[in-house]
Amino acid sequence: GESVGLHLPTLSVQEGDNSIINCAYSNSASDYFIWYKQESGKGPQFIIDIRSNMDKRQGQRVTVLLNKTVKHLSLQIAATQPGDSAVYFCAEASSGTYKYIFGTGTRLKVLA
Amino acid sequence: KAGVTQTPRYLIKTRGQQVTLSCSPISGHRSVSWYQQTPGQGLQFLFEYFSETQRNKGNFPGRFSGRQFSNSRSEMNVSTLELGDSALYLCASTNVGGPRQETQYFGPGTRLLVL
Repeated sequence: GESVGLHLPTLSVQEGDNSIINCAYSNSASDYFIWYKQESGKGPQFIIDIRSNMDKRQGQRVTVLLNKTVKHLSLQIAATQPGDSAVYFCAEASSGTYKYIFGTGTRLKVLA
Repeated sequence: KAGVTQTPRYLIKTRGQQVTLSCSPISGHRSVSWYQQTPGQGLQFLFEYFSETQRNKGNFPGRFSGRQFSNSRSEMNVSTLELGDSALYLCASTNVGGPRQETQYFGPGTRLLVL
């Protein structure tokens, strides 16, 4: 498949383990944060989002944590499955701008 | 609902040519954003359109332009292509004024190769 990024940090986890993917965001004025999953040859797929008035948000098998003090975002995936293998991007935005700033991405490899 | 569609999916051009890429947003979504994705620079914002008006623009040269039609479909154009324009061009639509009004949903992209 097509390479999304040649030198992306890679996280390798055993199937069934939990995964934690981290992201540092850049703009203190950002108040909306999103995680995307991108599989080879596809566009980014929305996973979960969080607003700056929250610290934590849970979805199905995924949790996003936001630490505004240190401008840090994390994505936790429970019971990681082979289908979770992909590149994960965080994005930040300021309300009403519709201009996302994306992180560099992390490649998640799930080991059987 | 059908997702964001982009045409063509793959394109090969030579330096100096121009190219037009098309994007059809999710039905009912009136905002369309464009991004360039390369291995070296990652995902970078090009511009965003709403109701046929460009509301925001990224740091790209004037060779990159776009427009939006009354049915919310959008096109982007790159003139005088350079080798460095080879990239995956992604379109995303947003349901402004509706639920999740700031979430961008992406299409599969158009892979442009400039020779």
